[in-house]
Amino acid sequence: EDKVVQSPLSLVVHEGDTVTLNCSYEVTNFRSLLWYKQEKKAPTFLFMLTSSGIEKKSGRLSSILDKKELFSILNITATQTGDSAVYLCAANAGNNRKLIWGLGTSLAVNP
Amino acid sequence: GAVVSQHPSWVICKSGTSVKIECRSLDFQATTMFWYRQFPKQSLMLMATSNEGSKATYEQGVEKDKFLINHASLTLSTLTVTSAHPEDSSFYICSARDPQYLQPQHFGDGTRLSIL
Repeated sequence: EDKVVQSPLSLVVHEGDTVTLNCSYEVTNFRSLLWYKQEKKAPTFLFMLTSSGIEKKSGRLSSILDKKELFSILNITATQTGDSAVYLCAANAGNNRKLIWGLGTSLAVNP
Repeated sequence: GAVVSQHPSWVICKSGTSVKIECRSLDFQATTMFWYRQFPKQSLMLMATSNEGSKATYEQGVEKDKFLINHASLTLSTLTVTSAHPEDSSFYICSARDPQYLQPQHFGDGTRLSIL
């Protein structure tokens, strides 16, 4: 059965800390791995990763994929209170383009 | 970037009412849209995949007659919750994907449905 597992499930840090969020996956016909940020509304897209070892970066956020070990990490440096959210990881699998979702990591950044 | 619009954002109605939620792709044509349901503090649960011009593909355990999906054009899919009851109260979110190669799904803002 296809699955995506995220860890930790929740995390509390102080502003300025660096955090690493983990996502492992087991899916058939893997195509890509995606990271989303969800605050009060629907998820907003962060990164899509298709190739191993190539870091994607956007400001203080970066992400990388390891297709051999079947995992991805999302790094956030110099965290701010506005980074507080649930970070969702999803694997795009198979021809029907369905996303297999992890349960998310709830990040709280305290001032 | 790709924009997906969902309407309405909030609905409160009486038990037994049918509620229609619209999902539009604003700057691309989406042959496939996805409908999700999310309970508080839980992850997204895929309900169905909406295919333009054909029947939707429902996930196991989702009642087709309860959650009617219509994808009549390349930019619009609708989800109708028929004869809604309090247990249907939830956060419903649609997403759409630009069919060009290697594009991610983008989400609407979601619809919070409360059935009294």
